[in-house]
Amino acid sequence: AQSVTQLGSHVSVSEGALVLLRCNYSSSVPPYLFWYVQYPNQGLQLLLKYTSAATLVKGINGFEAEFKKSETSFHLTKPSAHMSDAAEYFCAVRSFNQAGTALIFGKGTTLSVSS
Amino acid sequence: DADVTQTPRNRITKTGKRIMLECSQTKGHDRMYWYRQDPGLGLRLIYYSFDVKDINKGEISDGYSVSRQAQAKFSLSLESAIPNQTALYFCATSDPGQGADPGANVLTFGAGSRLTVL
Repeated sequence: AQSVTQLGSHVSVSEGALVLLRCNYSSSVPPYLFWYVQYPNQGLQLLLKYTSAATLVKGINGFEAEFKKSETSFHLTKPSAHMSDAAEYFCAVRSFNQAGTALIFGKGTTLSVSS
Repeated sequence: DADVTQTPRNRITKTGKRIMLECSQTKGHDRMYWYRQDPGLGLRLIYYSFDVKDINKGEISDGYSVSRQAQAKFSLSLESAIPNQTALYFCATSDPGQGADPGANVLTFGAGSRLTVL
């Protein structure tokens, strides 16, 4: 079975500082991994995805994530935080329990950005 | 109009009442999903459907039922609502992916339906 664990339910950074949101996965097959962002009172939108191509994946709004098989990690980073990055972030892995199926989400990490 | 539309956006109801949350999409996707979001628990899958004739239970289907009325419509019902079903519910759609990236289905989410059961 596939699963993801997000380390830290809440991360606080100053504007301009590095953002690092941690995600570790468990999968018996090569995983498909995703990061989604949820802004207040909105649905989730895709930030980026890893699907076995390049291990460093670039997404929207300056975010990127690196797939590290040896560490079973897929951490999300952004070099310089902006106030507008304050949101909840979810790591997800595609479930292979059924053919072509749903995503399994982590519990989320809330990012706060202070000025 | 939004690609994935959920109605109602907010609903307050009482224990024991029947509630239906509706979802419609204009993406033309075959696959549709219902998730619920609870603080500190992330999103958990309730039901999913790969086409009109295909319905599958997710990890927390007890107390819920669904209906796939058409490719574009997927409804979630609570036959007898209880307070611990108070949550934010999301509908999502996906296609199976194409070309060298088969099955890397990206979900498109609706804006959510906030349900409060008193």
